[in-house]
Order: sequence, then structure tokens, then C-alpha cells
Amino acid sequence: GESVGLHLPTLSVQEGDNSIINCAYSNSASDYFIWYKQESGKGPQFIIDIRSNMDKRQGQRVTVLLNKTVKHLSLQIAATQPGDSAVYFCAEKAIYNTDKLIFGTGTRLQVFP
Amino acid sequence: IAGITQAPTSQILAAGRRMTLRCTQDMRHNAMYWYRQDLGLGLRLIHYSNTAGTTGKGEVPDGYSVSRANTDDFPLTLASAVPSQTSVYFCASSHRGGTEAFFGQGTRLTVV
Repeated sequence: GESVGLHLPTLSVQEGDNSIINCAYSNSASDYFIWYKQESGKGPQFIIDIRSNMDKRQGQRVTVLLNKTVKHLSLQIAATQPGDSAVYFCAEKAIYNTDKLIFGTGTRLQVFP
Repeated sequence: IAGITQAPTSQILAAGRRMTLRCTQDMRHNAMYWYRQDLGLGLRLIHYSNTAGTTGKGEVPDGYSVSRANTDDFPLTLASAVPSQTSVYFCASSHRGGTEAFFGQGTRLTVV
């Protein structure tokens, strides 16, 4: 399959540790900020989203934090597993205007046993 | 089928030729998107449509055109392919106003 993330920043973590993936965004008018996971040879898959008027949202083993002051988004993965190895992208969407979904830079997560 | 389907899976195309990448979804999603992903990089939005009959330009629209005659189909056309259009192309769809987009398996296009 297609190999993605060859030139993207890489985060290497040991299995069982927590992972923190960061993203800077530019468009303050976005209504939602979203995290996607892309495994090699596949299209991205939705993980979790956060509305622009919130600063924290938790899912199953994942937490997204939004800091609008510095335009920063982070994804925290608890007890990282080998199956979490992938490229992670942040994205933003303006729901009430164009419905555009724009992706930001990605981070490659490598989980070691 | 349930989901979003792209065709072809891969294609080698001579420069200057015209090519249409097909995308079909059966989830009755209003919004559809086309992205390109160059090796080792992120996804860049080419064109999008938030409902049948309307389309909009994304970040990198030059050299591409789209149409949205109905809800299910969103074809992407390269009028005259150039080598810089070598990439993996992903089609996606979502409910209008939704944050979860569903992606196809991608089309790997090589322009020689």
C-alpha cells in the first residue's frame, strides 16, 4: 500500500506509555477541530472532534485539548498500543459557512514494544 | 455496498491525456470532497461540494474540475494531466455540517 508519513515529524513511544500529538492551526473562524488517523495504504479515519467553544473533550483512551489563545490543538492517547501506530492529522471545519474540511500537518506515531 | 467507493484503484496516465476519477457513496451524504496526498505529506483539498448542484474550490484546484449532478457521485477530472499531478487521490463524504468524513480507499495516479 501507499506509504505515508515518510517526511512527517515522528513521535516514538513505548507501548503502555501516554502519547501527546500536537497541531497548530491558523483559522480562528473554524467551528470544529478534528483528529484523524491514517494507517498505511488506507484513507484517514475519524477519531474525535471538539467544538471551538470547548477546551477539552474525552473519548475512549483519547483526549483532545484546544487552546484558542495560542491556536494549538493536541491529542492525548492513553496507554498507547501497537495498533495506534499510524499518521495522525488534525483538521478544521467551518460548519456554518462553506463546510470545507481542511487538514493540517501530520505526525507519525511509532509504538515500540 | 455501504460506504464510499473510488475507481480506478490505480492508473498510469500519459501526460496530456484526460482522466476522470470516479467517486460514489451510498450514505446519502450531502458534502463530498476530493484531496490529493503526495508521498510523505498531508492531504490537500482540491474541490468540495456541500450539496448536489454546487461545488467549491479548495486549496489546490488548478488543473482539476468536478461536477455534482446528484447526491451520490462526485467525479474529479484532469483535463490535461501533468507529471506534478502524480499523487494519491482520496474522495470523502460527510453529512452537511458533520465532522466525521468517510474516505474511500484512494486512487494512485502516476502521470508519465
